[in-house]
Amino acid sequence: DAKTTQPPSMDCAEGRAANLPCNHSTISGNEYVYWYRQIHSQGPQYIIHGLKNNETNEMASLIITEDRKSSTLILPHATLRDTAVYYCIVRVDGNQGGKLIFGQGTELSVKP
Amino acid sequence: NAGVTQTPKFQVLKTGQSMTLQCAQDMNHEYMSWYRQDPGMGLRLIHYSVGAGITDQGEVPNGYNVSRSTTEDFPLRLLSAAPSQTSVYFCASSYSHGATQETQYFGPGTRLLVL
Repeated sequence: DAKTTQPPSMDCAEGRAANLPCNHSTISGNEYVYWYRQIHSQGPQYIIHGLKNNETNEMASLIITEDRKSSTLILPHATLRDTAVYYCIVRVDGNQGGKLIFGQGTELSVKP
Repeated sequence: NAGVTQTPKFQVLKTGQSMTLQCAQDMNHEYMSWYRQDPGMGLRLIHYSVGAGITDQGEVPNGYNVSRSTTEDFPLRLLSAAPSQTSVYFCASSYSHGATQETQYFGPGTRLLVL
């Protein structure tokens, strides 16, 4: 599985968009990009995933560059409850399911 | 659905004691996993299972045993607890089809302190 690089921390003003970057320059053609978040010692929560195309759901949007070497998770209107550690993970779909490898993640602080 | 449940929530052990951390899910998920999280760090995979009767090692399996006799349950056993096993333990489960394999549902965690 490809390695990911994320900034260790970011701040965002409440109500503004939070843009969390992730670098995965060694990603392979069949590897998906997944995003999870962990709110203060709770179990991680799935947010979104994608392969090539941009994706959007009720929680966030995922923008993947055309060369797939990086991606950005966008929380369109960040709230205080979005303060969490955000993990970007790349994985081959269907390869030994249940085996996520977490990095250090980005600690997002949403401030009033 | 209760989702993924873990017991106990907290546990204090003495070095050398054994115990079993329980994990159960009621979503009929085939895949289940155990992770540990040390302070200030990301999660590390201990063991995982792709179905009843099938288990495999993750990144940090030493000192832990698992078995998967039913789809619902995936207990984690510490045979002889050590202070280095002080951590928060998370259990997770997911479906077995396509990209949903990695859409994992996590339990609330078990906080373990080994003295």
